Amino acid sequence: NAGVTQTPKFQVLKTGQSMTLQCAQDMNHNSMYWYRQDPGMGLRLIYYSASEGTTDKGEVPNGYNVSRLNKREFSLRLESAAPSQTSVYFCAGRTSGSNEQFFGPGTRLTVL
Amino acid sequence: EDQVTQSPEALRLQEGESSSLNCSYTVSGLRGLFWYRQDPGKGPEFLFTLYSAGEEKEKERLKATLTKKESFLHITAPKPEDSATYLCAVQGVDSNYQLIWGAGTKLIIKP
Repeated sequence: NAGVTQTPKFQVLKTGQSMTLQCAQDMNHNSMYWYRQDPGMGLRLIYYSASEGTTDKGEVPNGYNVSRLNKREFSLRLESAAPSQTSVYFCAGRTSGSNEQFFGPGTRLTVL
Repeated sequence: EDQVTQSPEALRLQEGESSSLNCSYTVSGLRGLFWYRQDPGKGPEFLFTLYSAGEEKEKERLKATLTKKESFLHITAPKPEDSATYLCAVQGVDSNYQLIWGAGTKLIIKP
């Protein structure tokens, strides 16, 4: 099992460019999450998907969109990147009935 | 507003020197408190879930405890491989499984 995988691992964008961060899991997770992690702050939830076909906003959704393509895949899109979106992005999954979230290795994004 | 505060921000210990990390929280009804470990350049890795005051969980040199206002992660006789950032998170009863995270404590164990 690969667990939770994320691509790319690193990305540099210019202000205004767009990109999609990919996340896939083979752990049969029903729920999937996108977080950002900034120095000195706790993980902040951007969007989550409680089940296939549903998505909901988290604490900091502005500037982002998501797609739950199927049960395995949950992508995060930045339509017009801003320097404030420079961060490390983590995808996580959770199985129904369990509180434990499994995290991917992260994507380090820099917006110039 | 649900909130989690971890202290200290960083802790340097000698190998074998026991200590504790603190996680203070405010939440409108606790569903669960979670401890995760995060190594540099990696995603957080689950350690423990605590559900009610008085509960304790242990794993190797780590023991987590919970009161109504805070949780402690006790580290007994730590080794250099215990060096990592330890994250605390809480889930409220009205949160729809969303977690509120602390900023973490960076633990460095010197040989």
